[in-house]
Amino acid sequence: EDQVTQSPEALRLQEGESSSLNCSYTVSGLRGLFWYRQDPGKGPEFLFTLYSAGEEKEKERLKATLTKKESFLHITAPKPEDSATYLCAVRKVNKFYFGSGTKLNVKP
Amino acid sequence: DTEVTQTPKHLVMGMTNKKSLKCEQHMGHRAMYWYKQKAKKPPELMFVYSYEKLSINESVPSRFSPECPNSSLLNLHLHALQPEDSALYLCASSQDGTGGTDTQYFGPGTRLTVL
Repeated sequence: EDQVTQSPEALRLQEGESSSLNCSYTVSGLRGLFWYRQDPGKGPEFLFTLYSAGEEKEKERLKATLTKKESFLHITAPKPEDSATYLCAVRKVNKFYFGSGTKLNVKP
Repeated sequence: DTEVTQTPKHLVMGMTNKKSLKCEQHMGHRAMYWYKQKAKKPPELMFVYSYEKLSINESVPSRFSPECPNSSLLNLHLHALQPEDSALYLCASSQDGTGGTDTQYFGPGTRLTVL
């Protein structure tokens, strides 16, 4: 069964405290893994696309990595404005399979 | 520019009303999507249009009727909705939706409340 699982469900960090979010998947025929950031009541904002194991991408304080079974979103020295829900999605043909998201709260 | 626009931002309707949600993109994308998102849940796919043809309908009730007048526009016509249909409705677009590795870009959503 095609499935995407994100952990933890919620994460509370102090400003400057680095951590990682996990996205594991059991989707066959993977055609890309995507990370989005979503603020309350708004549409998901695209962050990264990863296509093959070993690939890494960075943007400001965020770094995404991909293995054959999971992806990590590393957040280095987060700031309060990084607080949001981070969604992982896996593409199979023309459908996206979303995880349930990790709600990140960064306290000043 | 990776902008997808949606109107209206908010919509309140009664169960007997007929209304429409609109979505527009000018990125030259040939695939467009409608998603429904309930609070604290991930987006759920409703419909996919590829090259202006409906390619996926995820068993959505007929009270939701999609329309793709051209490659830049996507509408969702609403009729006789139920209170449980209240949600954030998201539109997205991607390069062609026929496969490959193209990215979906989302609009800001329409917050729908059914009374």
